Amino acid sequence: EDKVVQSPLSLVVHEGDTVTLNCSYEVTNFRSLLWYKQEKKAPTFLFMLTSSGIEKKSGRLSSILDKKELFSILNITATQTGDSAIYLCALGGATNKLIFGTGTLLAVQP
Amino acid sequence: DAGITQSPRHKVTETGTPVTLRCHQTENHRYMYWYRQDPGHGLRLIHYSYGVKDTDKGEVSDGYSVSRSKTEDFLLTLESATSSQTSVYFCAISERGQGTTPLHFGNGTRLTVT
Repeated sequence: EDKVVQSPLSLVVHEGDTVTLNCSYEVTNFRSLLWYKQEKKAPTFLFMLTSSGIEKKSGRLSSILDKKELFSILNITATQTGDSAIYLCALGGATNKLIFGTGTLLAVQP
Repeated sequence: DAGITQSPRHKVTETGTPVTLRCHQTENHRYMYWYRQDPGHGLRLIHYSYGVKDTDKGEVSDGYSVSRSKTEDFLLTLESATSSQTSVYFCAISERGQGTTPLHFGNGTRLTVT
């Protein structure tokens, strides 16, 4: 059964710190791995990583995919209070249905 | 934001009553989904649609039904609401199947069953 595990469950940092969020997975046939940010309402899409695109970067956020070791990380540099959110990892496998992890709650203190 | 509107935004209902949640999109995307989000469980797929009148079950479909009579509308019905269905419900859309293009989410419906 396809599975996604995120760590840590929660994290508290200070503005300016760099954070690394982890997503490990088990999958029968890998299709993609997606990262979302969820503040008070809807999850918003950050990155999608596939076999043909294992590294993504947008501003202070970046993500890599390690298909051999079956994990992905999301890095946030120079964190700001606006980065406080739940970060969700989702796995796309052979079933054509995304499986979401339970998320990492990030709190950035001033 | 992707053109996704969920209604109502909040609803309180009593156990045993029927409830229908509506999702409306203006993006003309083929795929639409209903998820529920609960503490400790993350987002779990209830049902999804891959075209008008084409639907399939997700991992937590018991107690729920869906209908899609038009591309833009996807309805989720709780035939007889139970307290375990108290949750936040999200609708999502995508151009192609999950895992091939990103999902974009609506702002959610908070449902409380008393």
